[in-house]
Amino acid sequence: AQTVTQSQPEMSVQEAETVTLSCTYDTSESNYYLFWYKQPPSRQMILVIRQEAYKQQNATENRFSVNFQKAAKSFSLKISDSQLGDTAMYFCALSGNQGGKLIFGQGTELSVKP
Amino acid sequence: NAGVMQNPRHLVRRRGQEARLRCSPMKGHSHVYWYRQLPEEGLKFMVYLQKENIIDESGMPKERFSAEFPKEGPSILRIQQVVRGDSAAYFCASSEEMNTEAFFGQGTRLTVV
Repeated sequence: AQTVTQSQPEMSVQEAETVTLSCTYDTSESNYYLFWYKQPPSRQMILVIRQEAYKQQNATENRFSVNFQKAAKSFSLKISDSQLGDTAMYFCALSGNQGGKLIFGQGTELSVKP
Repeated sequence: NAGVMQNPRHLVRRRGQEARLRCSPMKGHSHVYWYRQLPEEGLKFMVYLQKENIIDESGMPKERFSAEFPKEGPSILRIQQVVRGDSAAYFCASSEEMNTEAFFGQGTRLTVV
């Protein structure tokens, strides 16, 4: 069975600082994809960043980057220069392909404080 | 190109009534996925449909829940004889192909009173 675990229910960070959200996962698939989604109060699910497991290079999207440790089955999200608009729930997710059948973690509620 | 459209955004039903949730995928997308998000939890996969076919329903409760995606029109998630435990946000996502990025709708919040 595939599982995704986020062990930090809540985190807070000062504006302009850096924060790292943790995620571990388990899968028996040889190839898979990992995602971070953001869910602001509007409830819209927004894809933040995606990592293909067979790629060793860590994905980066502007202020968002991941630390993908395949052997440890760890996939953390780093947010640099945090902004007030980053305040949201963040979900880590796993899929056997890039499509829509995703296994989500429990979420981390991030608060960015001015 | 409009995004994934779900309606209604909010739905209130009394115990025992039926709830119908609609999802119109993005233009050109023929793959639809339904998720349920209980309060304080992450999204849980329910069902994956491709036009007129159910591909994977491993996350669907065995009773009272059904889903369809007809040749014409939106995908429908139907919950019969709703109970308080069905209160949740229901999200739909769509993708062009099975292994291409899925885009989420804004969800329908179902409240059973």
